[in-house]
Amino acid sequence: EVQLLESGGDLLQPGGSLRLSCAGSGFTFSRFAMSWVRQAPGKGLEWVSAITSTGGSTYYADSVKGRFTISRDSSKNTLFLQMNSLRVEDTAIYFCAKGVGAMVRGASDLWGRGTLVTVSS
Amino acid sequence: SYVLTQPPSVSVAPGRTARITCGGNNIGSKSVHWYQQMPGQAPVLVVYDDSDRPSGVPERFSGSNSGNTATLTISRVEDGDEADYYCQVWDSSNDHWGEFGGGTKLTVL
Repeated sequence: EVQLLESGGDLLQPGGSLRLSCAGSGFTFSRFAMSWVRQAPGKGLEWVSAITSTGGSTYYADSVKGRFTISRDSSKNTLFLQMNSLRVEDTAIYFCAKGVGAMVRGASDLWGRGTLVTVSS
Repeated sequence: SYVLTQPPSVSVAPGRTARITCGGNNIGSKSVHWYQQMPGQAPVLVVYDDSDRPSGVPERFSGSNSGNTATLTISRVEDGDEADYYCQVWDSSNDHWGEFGGGTKLTVL
């Protein structure tokens, strides 16, 4: 079955760190760009970060630049998001999404169910 | 950042046509993607590259893009189409990338 499965969400205090993972299966993971998209409670979608199929290029939203790092291990079919200096406003469901091609400029045609990150004191 | 403007809500009777707009500066020069999100679920791609449909998406879903407005059109609306819809573009200017519109809640009357 073609799917993405996120993990790693947690409740933590402001200033903390967390690493999210996204395991892909049923497709050739190494051929596709991947993204992270988040959704705060009751709010819309917010693009967070993306990485090309090779991992050679990464992109970030201004709101997370310098705090979050996207990476991938294609030998393990896994996407990561390292989140540092977390803020209350980072509270959201984090979705990983598969791109339609190797480059990031394109639609996302497969999404995981998401993992919840809650930042609260 | 590149701003995409969607109406917060659109209402339509079953069997009629719903049109959801996505406004942006010269959006016609960009590729627009549309996602459907049911409550509590992950988004699903319904239209990509302005007007292409992924396999499995009904032909009732179509898209267009010109000038400053992209439009998702849902023909013969069904109860099951009630959901939130989001447009997305990739904007390489000033390093602003996968921007989403604010979303439109489609209500089937």
